[in-house]
Amino acid sequence: EDQVTQSPEALRLQEGESSSLNCSYTVSGLRGLFWYRQDPGKGPEFLFTLYSAGEEKEKERLKATLTKKESFLHITAPKPEDSATYLCAVQAFRGYGGSQGNLIFGKGTKLSVKP
Amino acid sequence: DSGVTQTPKHLITATGQRVTLRCSPRSGDLSVYWYQQSLDQGLQFLIQYYNGEERAKGNILERFSAQQFPDLHSELNLSSLELGDSALYFCASSVGTGSYNEQFFGPGTRLTVL
Repeated sequence: EDQVTQSPEALRLQEGESSSLNCSYTVSGLRGLFWYRQDPGKGPEFLFTLYSAGEEKEKERLKATLTKKESFLHITAPKPEDSATYLCAVQAFRGYGGSQGNLIFGKGTKLSVKP
Repeated sequence: DSGVTQTPKHLITATGQRVTLRCSPRSGDLSVYWYQQSLDQGLQFLIQYYNGEERAKGNILERFSAQQFPDLHSELNLSSLELGDSALYFCASSVGTGSYNEQFFGPGTRLTVL
């Protein structure tokens, strides 16, 4: 069964204190791994997609990396506005010709950054 | 703003009732996905449509149904509502269904069943 596990569940950082969020996955045939940011009561906001082991992507203070079993979201010198829940999701090859595109989400890491 | 719109924002109803949630995908996107988010379960995939055809089903109850119309907007119908159906319902869209098709989420509909 396809599964995504995120750790830690919650993370409290001081402003400027760098850290990493982990996403472990088990999937038969990884098509892509996705990172989203979600603010309370809002829809998930797309951050990155990673497709193959060794791939890295960066956006401002965020950097996502991918191995064959897990992905990390590194946050460098975070600011209070980075406080949110970060969701990891995988997409597997499914259906005829890979026609099914649904995402399997982890439960997220709630990040709080204090000034 | 992702470009995906959902209405209504909030919906309060009673057990046993039926409601319809509406989603308009981003311009040019053919694929629509519905997800349910509850506090204990996280984001769960319900159903996917591509250009009017059902492509995948997840943990969708028989009391729930969906369709995608020729103009590509989609509706999720929830009937015989129970207290446990209270959740945030999100719609997402993507251009296609293959690789390199990121999904963009709408703002969601918060459903409260009393």
